[in-house]
Amino acid sequence: DAGITQSPRHKVTETGTPVTLRCHQTENHRYMYWYRQDPGHGLRLIHYSYGVKDTDKGEVSDGYSVSRSKTEDFLLTLESATSSQTSVYFCATGQLTNTGELFFGEGSRLTVL
Amino acid sequence: GQQVMQIPQYQHVQEGEDFTTYCNSSTTLSNIQWYKQRPGGHPVFLIQLVKSGEVKKQKRLTFQFGEAKKNSSLHITATQTTDVGTYFCAGNFGNEKLTFGTGTRLTIIP
Repeated sequence: DAGITQSPRHKVTETGTPVTLRCHQTENHRYMYWYRQDPGHGLRLIHYSYGVKDTDKGEVSDGYSVSRSKTEDFLLTLESATSSQTSVYFCATGQLTNTGELFFGEGSRLTVL
Repeated sequence: GQQVMQIPQYQHVQEGEDFTTYCNSSTTLSNIQWYKQRPGGHPVFLIQLVKSGEVKKQKRLTFQFGEAKKNSSLHITATQTTDVGTYFCAGNFGNEKLTFGTGTRLTIIP
């Protein structure tokens, strides 16, 4: 597997608190992605990055922000967590127009009470 | 918007039976990928299809891409317990993003 590390792996927090999830890669991939996975919805793209300080929105970006200050790190921030953001979050990296595939991290399970 | 629909959502089969999951896109795809996610795990890439009408095989798995590049299927022959998991298709519409289907969860009855 590609060197993708997500932290924390599990987090329980309360509504209204800020949460930051971290994705770290050692593959020097240009593109990084944050997806959320919910029953019945599959994987939905939240935000993605195509380079340092270059990010764009996905299909479910409301309530989330991202930052990428280094090639290897992509942060996902929930400024004020809500119960609807309880989910499993997956980071992925890859270069679709090159090798084609995405490599996924192990996932971060977030519960917002 | 660009969507990828996948059916069925769940499939329960007896061990040894065949299994098929189908994906359909609202618009023409540049390519389509398939991923497998074991219970409690993360999605893992299986294959990419690029050409119209393409058929690829991996042992007991057969992947097809439709002539119009709007649909695809994954067929597993003679399922085994190791096939358990959720299978996702993921469509690429010609950019650096993948749009995932909702997945088909396969369970095997021994």
